[in-house]
Amino acid sequence: DVKVTQSSRYLVKRTGEKVFLECVQDMDHENMFWYRQDPGLGLRLIYFSYDVKMKEKGDIPEGYSVSREKKERFSLILESASTNQTSMYLCASSFNKGPGTQYFGPGTRLLVL
Amino acid sequence: GNSVTQMEGPVTLSEEAFLTINCTYTATGYPSLFWYVQYPGEGLQLLLKATKADDKGSNKGFEATYRKETTSFHLEKGSVQVSDSAVYFCALEGSTLGRLYFGRGTQLTVWP
Repeated sequence: DVKVTQSSRYLVKRTGEKVFLECVQDMDHENMFWYRQDPGLGLRLIYFSYDVKMKEKGDIPEGYSVSREKKERFSLILESASTNQTSMYLCASSFNKGPGTQYFGPGTRLLVL
Repeated sequence: GNSVTQMEGPVTLSEEAFLTINCTYTATGYPSLFWYVQYPGEGLQLLLKATKADDKGSNKGFEATYRKETTSFHLEKGSVQVSDSAVYFCALEGSTLGRLYFGRGTQLTVWP
């Protein structure tokens, strides 16, 4: 059974803190993605990666960075958390041969105070 | 560019009612089309997909047909159940392989 896991389901952080969200997949997928989900806005792509050490900006990369040192792991980093980054964060992965069915983790609900 | 427009919710139905959630898209070329579902407290999971014009995707009683002439991929189910209550997302795969473009989601609530 395919599996994408995220390090936390719920997280509470203070403004200005550095925040790490981790995602691990066990399907040997090349592609990995980070989205944020907000009511009325759907899913918005933050960053994605096609391979180890590679990254591409999505639609809303400002205030975020990513790291992919190993194929199975993709980390999202909030360098200095702000209240407007309070959101649900979803990680996904897929093979690099189409069609691009993505497999999602359960999400991390982040609250920045 | 690539974009997906789906009907705004929330949609509220009684059990055994017929469901349609409209989805239209804008894309270059011939994208693959998807419907994802998100149950409360969970991540998204693939419901069905279609990869070329006139293809019909189906799963769990849900169906959607890829209509190139109307650039649509409407989701239908003949008889909904309470357990179908969830948020439904329409998506397309653009020319950048692997990248999906999502609609804003439609909340469906089914009452017994």
